[in-house]
Amino acid sequence: ETGVTQSPTHLIKTRGQQVTLRCSSQSGHNTVSWYQQALGQGPQFIFQYYREEENGRGNFPPRFSGLQFPNYSSELNVNALELDDSALYLCASSPIGGPYNEQFFGPGTRLTVL
Amino acid sequence: SQQGEEDPQALSIQEGENATMNCSYKTSINNLQWYRQNSGRGLVHLILIRSNEREKHSGRLRVTLDTSKKSSSLLITASRAADTASYFCATGIIQGAQKLVFGQGTRLTINP
Repeated sequence: ETGVTQSPTHLIKTRGQQVTLRCSSQSGHNTVSWYQQALGQGPQFIFQYYREEENGRGNFPPRFSGLQFPNYSSELNVNALELDDSALYLCASSPIGGPYNEQFFGPGTRLTVL
Repeated sequence: SQQGEEDPQALSIQEGENATMNCSYKTSINNLQWYRQNSGRGLVHLILIRSNEREKHSGRLRVTLDTSKKSSSLLITASRAADTASYFCATGIIQGAQKLVFGQGTRLTINP
């Protein structure tokens, strides 16, 4: 167990709806990254938060947005859901600083868009 | 787009045999990491090798890195049924964010 928790475990939404996923980072970690993993694929980087600011973003549209709170927990929000948003969403925490970035992953949230 | 390419995409061996998985990547990296994933759940970090290192060991795992060929390999010795999982290589890149760029993974099956 990494100490990173995510909620909910599973979620079913319909196209056009909005969804919020939550992540609590491992104790002592101040950086949170979000990844999307489609079935049979490797995870893809969505964005990273550090000190409550977005620290970098992958190739995802603006309807994917996030927040980081003072306790370093984080939310991923997706608006106007599309069928292709169905995936496993993974949160990872890491300590900032230094060039080496081992990341600790949570168990993921399985999102199904119908 | 994904940077890493794992080879093979699937591997099935007998318990006790060694398993070797390969990873190739395209751009300069800070480090390369290997992760394991069971049944579509969270990723478990296995080992990190820095760009200035050539080989690293952790228990039954051995990782090599050849930056001139932009490739890495993961060797699991004396495989066990519990090693059945998907294995991903991920390159650590610092572009503002410290992000990981994953390959598509190798599905490893250990037959008892």
